[in-house]
Amino acid sequence: EAAVTQSPRSKVAVTGGKVTLSCHQTNNHDYMYWYRQDTGHGLRLIHYSYVADSTEKGDIPDGYKASRPSQENFSLILELASLSQTAVYFCASSGGENYAEQFFGPGTRLTVL
Amino acid sequence: GDSVTQTEGLVTLTEGLPVMLNCTYQTIYSNPFLFWYVQHLNESPRLLLKSFTDNKRTEHQGFHATLHKSSSSFHLQKSSAQLSDSALYYCALSLNSNNRIFFGDGTQLVVKP
Repeated sequence: EAAVTQSPRSKVAVTGGKVTLSCHQTNNHDYMYWYRQDTGHGLRLIHYSYVADSTEKGDIPDGYKASRPSQENFSLILELASLSQTAVYFCASSGGENYAEQFFGPGTRLTVL
Repeated sequence: GDSVTQTEGLVTLTEGLPVMLNCTYQTIYSNPFLFWYVQHLNESPRLLLKSFTDNKRTEHQGFHATLHKSSSSFHLQKSSAQLSDSALYYCALSLNSNNRIFFGDGTQLVVKP
C-alpha cells in the first residue's frame, strides 16, 4: 500500500511568520506534488518535483517555496504567511508501475491568523 | 492549454437514481490518461478509476466511465446511487509526459434518502 505522510496535520500560524509543511513518502516514487484545496477551487498545484534537489513551479507558486532534499521528502515553505494562505494542503506522489496515478497524503489544515 | 472541465459544481439526487457526472477535457496530446478521483468528507483524494484506451468502458466499485477521444469526454456513471457515494469527485487529465495531472474543479455529489 502506497504511503504518504504529512506533518503537521494541523497548524495555526501568525501573519508574517514562517511555516514549513513536511511530506514523506515510502513508495519509492520519483514524483512529488504540493496542492492546496479551498472550497470552490478544488485542487490547485503549487509546486512539484521530478527528482531530488530539483523543484518546478505549478499553477499558483507565488508566496510558496519548495524543497526536495531526498527522494522521500518534499517540503513546502511559506516564508511570510498571509491570511489568504489559510487552506488545506495535500502532498502526493506518483511513479513506478502505476504511472501517473497520484497517491495523496492525509492533508495539513493551515490556519493563518 | 491543457485543462479539464466539470460543468456541475453540485449534483443532488435521491438514493437509487442513476448518477452521471460530466467531464470534458482539452489537450493537443493524442494519448491522454483520464482519471476520476473521489474525496469523502475529511479524507484525502483517492483514485476511483482511470483510462487511456479510446471507447473502452472502465469500471470500479460500481462506477464506470468510457474515454471518448472523439468528443474529449470521460463522464462518470453509476446505475444506482447510494448514500455512501456522497463525496467530491474530480476528473483529471495526464499527458503522460511528466506525470503532472490537471484536475477539474470538482463536482460535489450529494445523495439523499
